Amino acid sequence: GAGVSQSPRYKVAKRGQDVALRCDPISGHVSLFWYQQALGQGPEFLTYFQNEAQLDKSGLPSDRFFAERPEGSVSTLKIQRTQQEDSAVYLCASSLGGDYYEQYFGPGTRLTVT
Amino acid sequence: EDKVVQSPLSLVVHEGDTVTLNCSYEVTNFRSLLWYKQEKKAPTFLFMLTSSGIEKKSGRLSSILDKKELFSILNITATQTGDSAVYLCAVAAGNNRKLIWGLGTSLAVNP
Repeated sequence: GAGVSQSPRYKVAKRGQDVALRCDPISGHVSLFWYQQALGQGPEFLTYFQNEAQLDKSGLPSDRFFAERPEGSVSTLKIQRTQQEDSAVYLCASSLGGDYYEQYFGPGTRLTVT
Repeated sequence: EDKVVQSPLSLVVHEGDTVTLNCSYEVTNFRSLLWYKQEKKAPTFLFMLTSSGIEKKSGRLSSILDKKELFSILNITATQTGDSAVYLCAVAAGNNRKLIWGLGTSLAVNP
């Protein structure tokens, strides 16, 4: 596709529910990143994949957060037993790799936990 | 600890003004510095700077990097209301492809 796509664009979950957020990166992009962004803040790093390997998950806030990219393309961020503090915009970005550090962002998924 | 600091945190100008946004960094093994514009949606990529002293330009926006003094500036000339956004600076460093982000400069351009 032409750009990074994410689905759903909006998600409302009741506290305690599990959610799954999907990211389709730009075709051929090796690196994929997940960020959490609260209102008025910059993106906060969650995790990063190079192809199917999860190389850094230091930003995941708790063991309720889990990400995968099994075939090195589409990625899913799963949040188990959602809490109100999980409400945020979740951004996915992809990057070509090599000397190309620029990341291209998807439109984000706005998660609201009620 | 690696860090990226942007200034000012916010800025209000009138249409037609020229603005200069600053980004300074302290990182180990610098690779490149990137500028993004974020309106009400996801950040959009503006520039990537790797070498000192080489200006990158796109329309009314330009940016330059000083690797000796460890900073970059983003200039916007003849500002328009559509330039109102948060401008984010990020640095790639070391072998980790994770970017180190500044907090952003919120720019408001009034008619």
